[in-house]
Amino acid sequence: EDKVVQSPLSLVVHEGDTVTLNCSYEVTNFRSLLWYKQEKKAPTFLFMLTSSGIEKKSGRLSSILDKKELFSILNITATQTGDSAVYLCAVDAFGNEKLTFGTGTRLTIIP
Amino acid sequence: EAQVTQNPRYLITVTGKKLTVTCSQNMNHEYMSWYRQDPGLGLRQIYYSMNVEVTDKGDVPEGYKVSRKEKRNFPLILESPSPNQTSLYFCASSPQTGPKVYEQYFGPGTRLTVT
Repeated sequence: EDKVVQSPLSLVVHEGDTVTLNCSYEVTNFRSLLWYKQEKKAPTFLFMLTSSGIEKKSGRLSSILDKKELFSILNITATQTGDSAVYLCAVDAFGNEKLTFGTGTRLTIIP
Repeated sequence: EAQVTQNPRYLITVTGKKLTVTCSQNMNHEYMSWYRQDPGLGLRQIYYSMNVEVTDKGDVPEGYKVSRKEKRNFPLILESPSPNQTSLYFCASSPQTGPKVYEQYFGPGTRLTVT
């Protein structure tokens, strides 16, 4: 059974700090890993990573995938209160047309 | 505006009373999916559909039914709801080229309480 584990479960930091969120996975025939941000409602897509070592960047957010060690990190620099959310990691596999989600990391930014 | 819509957004019902949660997308997406989200368990897939008339079970299909008669709609049916189906439900869709599932677009969610 495919498995996605995120850590930490919860994180509270001050505005301006840098945070690193972790996602490890066990999946047969891995195809891609996706990061989502969930504020008070529906998750919104952030990144999709398919190749090892490739960094995806969008403003202050960046993510890297290590296919050998089976994990990904999501980095947020110079955090702002608007970054407060639950961050979800999901993986999908060849031949298995569904996403398996982790339980998420709840990030709280204190002004 | 490209979007996934769900109705109702909130529903309180009683055990055993059949209900349907509708989901519609206006992006001509082939792939649609239903998830439930529970504290400590994350998002778990209930059913998904690769295209019209093609549906398949996700991780937690028991107690649910779906249908995909048209590309844009993917209703979730609870024939006899029970309290353990109290949850936050999300519908999602994604474009699909070949076998690849791209990033999914989520609806606003339906909070269901079964008493």
